[in-house]
Amino acid sequence: GNSVTQMEGPVTLSEEAFLTINCTYTATGYPSLFWYVQYPGEGLQLLLKATKADDKGSNKGFEATYRKETTSFHLEKGSVQVSDSAVYFCALILNTGNQFYFGTGTSLTVIP
Amino acid sequence: NAGVTQTPKFRVLKTGQSMTLLCAQDMNHEYMYWYRQDPGMGLRLIHYSVGEGTTAKGEVPDGYNVSRLKKQNFLLGLESAAPSQTSVYFCASSYSAYSYEQYFGPGTRLTVT
Repeated sequence: GNSVTQMEGPVTLSEEAFLTINCTYTATGYPSLFWYVQYPGEGLQLLLKATKADDKGSNKGFEATYRKETTSFHLEKGSVQVSDSAVYFCALILNTGNQFYFGTGTSLTVIP
Repeated sequence: NAGVTQTPKFRVLKTGQSMTLLCAQDMNHEYMYWYRQDPGMGLRLIHYSVGEGTTAKGEVPDGYNVSRLKKQNFLLGLESAAPSQTSVYFCASSYSAYSYEQYFGPGTRLTVT
């Protein structure tokens, strides 16, 4: 089947630390991959996406590279800020499907 | 341009009561979705629609019904609420499915006692 596995949180980092949130996937076809972010009390917002192997999605200092050989889409940021505190979701959709598949989310707290 | 809106924002129901959650989008999107979010389980798809007048079941459809009579609206109904339906419900819409992002509403927090 289709599924997304994220590293479990919560993750707590000091400001300016390096962030990695791991995401791996299983897909029966060819997926597009996404990272969504949810700030407290809000709905999810698209952070970045990649639609084919070796593509790199980037936004607001976050990056993720679509690695088909390792079925991974790890999220990274070189220097986190307090304002990055949120829950991050990895997701996929197949090129033949109508449904998104979300990971369970990883909570990030950045302390000053 | 309001994006995706949800009504109501909060609701408390007693077991057995019914209610309808309304989702509206003003982006002329074809696809609309209803998810529930529970701690430790991420988002799970309840029902979705690929166009006006069409609906389909998602991962956890039992106990819910939906309707898409107008392209801009997607209604989620609970006919007989149960405590297991206590959750945060999110509506989303997208122009198409593959490679297009979903736009999410702010959520409805439902408590069933």
